[in-house]
Amino acid sequence: QVQLVESGGGVVQPGGSLRLSCAASGFTFSTYVRHWVRQAPGKGLEWVACIQYDTNNKYYADSVRGRFTIFGDTSKNMLYLQMNSLRVEDTAVYYCASGAGDYSPDYWGQGTLVTVSS
Amino acid sequence: QSALTQPASVSGSPGQSITISCTGTSSDVGGYNYVSWYQQHPGKAPKVMIYDVSKRPSGVSNRFSGSKSGNTASLTISGLQAEDEADYYCCSYAGSSIFVVFGGGTKLTVL
Repeated sequence: QVQLVESGGGVVQPGGSLRLSCAASGFTFSTYVRHWVRQAPGKGLEWVACIQYDTNNKYYADSVRGRFTIFGDTSKNMLYLQMNSLRVEDTAVYYCASGAGDYSPDYWGQGTLVTVSS
Repeated sequence: QSALTQPASVSGSPGQSITISCTGTSSDVGGYNYVSWYQQHPGKAPKVMIYDVSKRPSGVSNRFSGSKSGNTASLTISGLQAEDEADYYCCSYAGSSIFVVFGGGTKLTVL
């Protein structure tokens, strides 16, 4: 059974750092494009970043480029999001997503909440 | 990166059909056949209903269909049912520098 489980969310002060993790089971994560997508409270979905399966090229939304880093560990079937210089506006539920659709992931985790507040 | 434009809300009665539009540019919706549509119920993760403009994943009802004309994609739901009430988001590939962009979301109310 395919499953994605995010962890690492919590409360952090502005300017702080946090690392999110996403554990995949039931499929080989590294053979698909792996995404992070976030949703601020009461707001819509916002694509954050992704890493390609074949080239390991990484892509970022303008809003996080230079502050967030996406990386994976193929041996552990894991995906990570290192978030630095966090801002209040980064407060959101963060989902990892993947699957056969490079640009339309069909496997999603349950999300992990990141709250940036002083 | 500008979000794709969707109506904030649409509504319909059970059994009716509704269409949700998603307007982008020639750099995203109009430039590629990689538009997808997600359904999200409150407190749940999104679920893909349509991918590659008009393809339906296994298990998704054939009441859901997608299309595209120029820079605007559309999701049509026929035979509305109460369980279709949810938020719907369009999503498009936007090239190698931006990669993916979502629409602002549309709240569907089944009257």
